[in-house]
Order: sequence, then structure tokens, then C-alpha cells
Amino acid sequence: DAKTTQPNSMESNEEEPVHLPCNHSTISGTDYIHWYRQLPSQGPEYVIHGLTSNVNNRMASLAIAEDRKSSTLILHRATLRDAAVYYCILRDPDSWGKLQFGAGTQVVVTP
Amino acid sequence: DTGVSQNPRHKITKRGQNVTFRCDPISEHNRLYWYRQTLGQGPEFLTYFQNEAQLEKSRLLSDRFSAERPKGSFSTLEIQRTEQGDSAMYLCASSLGSGTGYSNQPQHFGDGTRLSIL
Repeated sequence: DAKTTQPNSMESNEEEPVHLPCNHSTISGTDYIHWYRQLPSQGPEYVIHGLTSNVNNRMASLAIAEDRKSSTLILHRATLRDAAVYYCILRDPDSWGKLQFGAGTQVVVTP
Repeated sequence: DTGVSQNPRHKITKRGQNVTFRCDPISEHNRLYWYRQTLGQGPEFLTYFQNEAQLEKSRLLSDRFSAERPKGSFSTLEIQRTEQGDSAMYLCASSLGSGTGYSNQPQHFGDGTRLSIL
């Protein structure tokens, strides 16, 4: 299974943008890139996903490299509520859609 | 949208006892997943249901674990003869998805049942 690599932690000031990198050099041509986040004492929450083109939604933007070997989740203006663990996940098309989480990136937002 | 509901939120039991957790998915979701999460780690996949059929089980799911989803609605996860290593957060997720193939639909998670083995 293709794996992802993320930094253990990142810090940001409130109202500043946050760029969360994810490396996935062994991604297959059919793998979608998904991002979930997990706030303290809660289950994971879907953030965004994409295949090749950059994607935007109300929560974040996803920038995908042209060779698809890396991607970046962008939180445009971090708030204290964005402090969470962010997971970059490749969806395996042969596995009924199960999610394979890594350790993720702990985002700390400072007022 | 009432979200995915899991009960109980916390369970404390003695080693060797049996425990059962319940998950109520979002009503129109036909796919249901169970995951386990230990401290400092991401969730690990345990098993998956499409309606009432259990279609995939992880190697993590030993023979002491059993999951059911009668009538394709709520699901239960039972652990028999609990061991210290079973202490974890057990998460349930549901999603839309038709047919038997891959689905790109987002999964919606409950807030989990935290199991502590004394």
C-alpha cells in the first residue's frame, strides 16, 4: 500500500495561513489524496480530497504537485479551533474505501 | 443530520470480561467501518460492512473480536475475554456508497468508545 509522510508537528499564529505538507512518492495513478483532522477527544473529521487538480472548499485548499508525489493542505487563516492532528491519506481503490491513517501532523495554533 | 452515535462513551472493565459497543450510523449510509486508536497513533482499520454484509476484516481483528450489523442498520463490536492490550479508543464511521466497488465518499466518524482494562 502506498504510504504518506508528514511532519510530526507544526506551529502557527492565529489568523496566519498554515501549509501542511504530505509526501506520497509511491502513489498510484488511481489513488485519491484525502485529508482528515482530529480535534481533541473527537473522532476524525473529513477535510478535503483530490486526485490531480487543486481543490478548494469552505474548510481548506488542497494543492497537488504536478507529479502527484506530494501535496499541501492549506488553512487560509488559522483559528484556535483548527488545533488538531491532520492526517494525509491515500484511498486504496481495491480496499472498499478503508482509511489507512499514519501518525499525522499535530497543528498548534498560538493566539 | 444527527451524525454517527457511539455508546457507551467510556467503558471500564476487568481483564477477562466481555464488552460490547454499539454504533448507530447516519441513517442513509450503507457503509460502516470500525477502527481502533491507541494513544498517540492514528486510527487503525478493523472491519467494514456494506449493508449487513461484513466484507473485510483486518488481521488486527483476532478471534476474540466479533462485529455484526443486523439488518444493515446499527452495528455492534464485541470483545471477549478482554486483555490489557485491548485498551484503546474504538471508532465507528459510516459513509454512502453503492455497489461493491471503491467509494470516494467521505467517512463520518463518531466520537468513539474509550475502553480501559483494569
